[in-house]
Amino acid sequence: NAGVTQTPKFQVLKTGQSMTLQCAQDMNHEYMSWYRQDPGMGLRLIHYSVGAGITDQGEVPNGYNVSRSTTEDFPLRLLSAAPSQTSVYFCASSYDGGDYGYTFGSGTRLTVV
Amino acid sequence: EDQVTQSPEALRLQEGESSSLNCSYTVSGLRGLFWYRQDPGKGPEFLFTLYSAGEEKEKERLKATLTKKESFLHITAPKPEDSATYLCAVQSYSGSARQLTFGSGTQLTVLP
Repeated sequence: NAGVTQTPKFQVLKTGQSMTLQCAQDMNHEYMSWYRQDPGMGLRLIHYSVGAGITDQGEVPNGYNVSRSTTEDFPLRLLSAAPSQTSVYFCASSYDGGDYGYTFGSGTRLTVV
Repeated sequence: EDQVTQSPEALRLQEGESSSLNCSYTVSGLRGLFWYRQDPGKGPEFLFTLYSAGEEKEKERLKATLTKKESFLHITAPKPEDSATYLCAVQSYSGSARQLTFGSGTQLTVLP
């Protein structure tokens, strides 16, 4: 049971480049979320999904897109990277929306130069 | 808008020195309050969910309590392996479907 798998673990992008952060879970969880974590600001919700084909915006969605074509996968796309998107990104999933806790991946550390 | 404030930002304890971490929250209709532990370079790890004022939950040296305005994470006789950042989060009935609003965390260091 791998849990939540995020790739890559580290990435450096140039301003204006695009990329996709991958997130996959093997627990048949319906709820999936993307957060960014910045020093002193805690985890902030970017986008989330409550099932395949259903996505919605969180607190800080600008500059990011998501899709949920399968239950397992929830990729996060950076459309045109900016230095302000330098952060650590976490994907999380839950069976029931949190009563037994969200399971987090190990994160992707992204630097935009 | 849901808000979560954690204090102190950082706490250093000697091994065996008990203390408490605070999580104050403002939410329109609390569905649940969550505590997570985060080790450096890793994702948060779920500890507890609390649903109503007066509720308490325990796990080893940790005990979480909840009132109508705040939650406390009590650490009894901590060990160096308890060193981590502890995150508090709330989930409201009116917010995004079962999503979490996090505080900025308390970084706990337990010295041997």
